[in-house]
Amino acid sequence: LAKTTQPISMDSYEGQEVNITCSHNNIATNDYITWYQQFPSQGPRFIIQGYKTKVTNEVASLFIPADRKSSTLSLPRVSLSDTAVYYCLVGAQTGANNLFFGTGTRLTVIP
Amino acid sequence: GAGVSQSPSNKVTEKGKDVELRCDPISGHTALYWYRQSLGQGLEFLIYFQGNSAPDKSGLPSDRFSAERTGGSVSTLTIQRTQQEDSAVYLCASSLTDRVHQPQHFGDGTRLSIL
Repeated sequence: LAKTTQPISMDSYEGQEVNITCSHNNIATNDYITWYQQFPSQGPRFIIQGYKTKVTNEVASLFIPADRKSSTLSLPRVSLSDTAVYYCLVGAQTGANNLFFGTGTRLTVIP
Repeated sequence: GAGVSQSPSNKVTEKGKDVELRCDPISGHTALYWYRQSLGQGLEFLIYFQGNSAPDKSGLPSDRFSAERTGGSVSTLTIQRTQQEDSAVYLCASSLTDRVHQPQHFGDGTRLSIL
């Protein structure tokens, strides 16, 4: 069961880069790492996904070391609108054991 | 394009009543998921459907909870004899296939309050 561990909360000032790390020591060979963002009163929204090394899109970057036992979501130059809860999800084939969102990391961006 | 739609957005009911929550997934998505989220907590998996296969019900907390998906599209989550601990936001998501690397697309949930 590839459960994940993330910090409960983080604070950052506007304009700074924010890095949120997720630990997944039991990650399996076929598992992907996926990050979601959730604003209050909304469902989670897909941000980025990766398998190894580095992935970048218009929103964020995802860094995955060679052993894949952790991953880091990087948000460049955060703004107040990035205040949200960020979830790390690890798995391959959908199933109850692979749909563990945990409590996520609550990011608060301060003006 | 249309996203995942859930109804009602809010539901208040008395303890002991039955409730039905509806989810309209994105057209063409074969996988559909139900989650529950209590205040300030993470998402708790309840059940998922993939195509015509038997649903994975392993996350349902009790036999008062059931779900069906008609015609591979719309899904209904039913909670019988509601209890106060059932109060939560119920989220539905769909994805193109049931592979985890296919992103899940979520609705905004139904906020259920049991008096």
